[in-house]
Amino acid sequence: DVKVTQSSRYLVKRTGEKVFLECVQDMDHENMFWYRQDPGLGLRLIYFSYDVKMKEKGDIPEGYSVSREKKERFSLILESASTNQTSMYLCASSLPDSFPSGANVLTFGAGSRLTVL
Amino acid sequence: SQQGEEDPQALSIQEGENATMNCSYKTSINNLQWYRQNSGRGLVHLILIRSNEREKHSGRLRVTLDTSKKSSSLLITASRAADTASYFCATANAGGTSYGKLTFGQGTILTVHP
Repeated sequence: DVKVTQSSRYLVKRTGEKVFLECVQDMDHENMFWYRQDPGLGLRLIYFSYDVKMKEKGDIPEGYSVSREKKERFSLILESASTNQTSMYLCASSLPDSFPSGANVLTFGAGSRLTVL
Repeated sequence: SQQGEEDPQALSIQEGENATMNCSYKTSINNLQWYRQNSGRGLVHLILIRSNEREKHSGRLRVTLDTSKKSSSLLITASRAADTASYFCATANAGGTSYGKLTFGQGTILTVHP
């Protein structure tokens, strides 16, 4: 069964800590994404990557960075966590646009709920 | 920026009834998708409708798309308690290379009472 795995379901961190959220997919997908989900705001795109070592900012990249050293792994980094980064973080992957079918369809991980105290 | 706006924000029905959720968007799209999210979990893809399609069916799901009104609706027929979840529409914008980016709405919370 194909899937996207997020390493931590729940994390509690302190303000100022560096936080790593890891995401691994086993579908050989080119595209990978990090979204955050907050009540009343839906899902907002933080960063995405369309190839190894390639990354693009999404709608809310401030306070975050990403790393994609291998095709299957996409990491989200909070350099100095703040309380307003308390949220549910969702990783997803998809086939590239060039595929005639299945492109744009996202497969999501189970989510990582981060609390910053 | 938010592309899809869903209506209603919450919907409560009895088992066996139909549930209809609506989504409006602002820009030209390649396709529109609906996802489902069970409480505290990730999203699961339900159905995709392309910009040149008007209606699509999958099991108990029926999706319509009206590009002139920039709106879509998701109908779940003969609902079950297990359909209780949040439902999100998501759009893939037209033009250029999107790299698969989707813009999500805020979601509709559906509660189906046994």
